[in-house]
Amino acid sequence: DAGVTQSPTHLIKTRGQHVTLRCSPISGHKSVSWYQQVLGQGPQFIFQYYEKEERGRGNFPDRFSARQFPNYSSELNVNALLLGDSALYLCASSLGQDGAFFGQGTRLTVV
Amino acid sequence: AQKVTQAQTEISVVEKEDVTLDCVYETRDTTYYLFWYKQPPSGELVFLIRRNSFDEQNEISGRYSWNFQKSTSSFNFTITASQVVDSAVYFCALSFGNYGGATNKLIFGTGTLLAVQP
Repeated sequence: DAGVTQSPTHLIKTRGQHVTLRCSPISGHKSVSWYQQVLGQGPQFIFQYYEKEERGRGNFPDRFSARQFPNYSSELNVNALLLGDSALYLCASSLGQDGAFFGQGTRLTVV
Repeated sequence: AQKVTQAQTEISVVEKEDVTLDCVYETRDTTYYLFWYKQPPSGELVFLIRRNSFDEQNEISGRYSWNFQKSTSSFNFTITASQVVDSAVYFCALSFGNYGGATNKLIFGTGTLLAVQP
């Protein structure tokens, strides 16, 4: 069975641009969460979606948005990129309380 | 406030030594879940274990063991006979609430970098 898959794996963008990151959860998992991990820190929660509805949002500006599709895949969008948005973006899927399973992440560099 | 503290920033050991990674958490919820994840240089977070707040039984899985003590709000992780492949950043995380459909958002500690020298 495939795990959580994210695309792209690496991305370089210029300040002010927009970016879309994609995530496909483990088959059967209905919840997808997004995390931002800045170098040297633990992951910080951005969004959680369950059955296509937003269930939680972390302390991130409105430039960050997300959605979940009928097949439970998800997109994270970031507008007006800042240098400080450079980070590893992790997607996790879950089913019940067994835990969250993470993808390999998208490493975003803003120049 | 919900918080996870991993006071050890870096630990260096020699292969075959035992090593314990500390994790202290704060929460006012009575239902919560504790996790450990391993993050190798590739970046992917690898799930190691989940514990719920009603189960204080310690767990052993091969060379890994976990000690959960509610009295001290700690969930420590021990690697016995460490190996070079154990080198990674290890994160402790907390999730709270009783939503059955999915694991709620995780609150991570800052991580402990474990370096196992040959």
